[in-house]
Amino acid sequence: GQSLEQPSEVTAVEGAIVQINCTYQTSGFYGLSWYQQHDGGAPTFLSYNALDGLEETGRFSSFLSRSDSYGYLLLQELQMKDSASYFCPTCSGNTGKLIFGQGTTLQVKP
Amino acid sequence: ETGVTQTPRHLVMGMTNKKSLKCEQHLGHNAMYWYKQSAKKPLELMFVYSLEERVENNSVPSRFSPECPNSSHLFLHLHTLQPEDSALYLCASSLGPRAQYFGPGTRLLVL
Repeated sequence: GQSLEQPSEVTAVEGAIVQINCTYQTSGFYGLSWYQQHDGGAPTFLSYNALDGLEETGRFSSFLSRSDSYGYLLLQELQMKDSASYFCPTCSGNTGKLIFGQGTTLQVKP
Repeated sequence: ETGVTQTPRHLVMGMTNKKSLKCEQHLGHNAMYWYKQSAKKPLELMFVYSLEERVENNSVPSRFSPECPNSSHLFLHLHTLQPEDSALYLCASSLGPRAQYFGPGTRLLVL
């Protein structure tokens, strides 16, 4: 079967570090992506992990452990503009099929 | 113009109407996607086109009919829709599985 688990909401303060966890169960797993979506906007690609380990892109880092079917997104030096929904869709098969979960709503407070 | 564009941005239609949504990508990508995003539900993949061939149809009702005339354009033809089809319809494109780039979406209301 296919399943994705993320916390529904996370709250943090400006300047802090926050980690959003994601566990998955996906047949034909190719990789784990992270997308950000602001209210009323379209999802924006943040990162993609196909292999185990950490990928760093500026203030954002993403980690994957294939053996644990687990990944996380780490956001450092939080800014108010980081308040958004974050999704960790899994990529299944070689057709680029993304399977989305409910996402995590991050609220950054001053 | 760059990126992924979608028209119209907003659409109101009756259940007996026929309308089409258009998506265009200027990124040189070879795969295009239609997604549906309803309130309180995960983003749902509807169709995947790779090199202009439909490679994925996620059990979508036949009242939604996609068309991909070339690698830059994707259409979603709508007919006899139901009120529960009201949602944000998002188009995306990609070059391989790594990253999909989304358009701004068409917000559809079916009366």
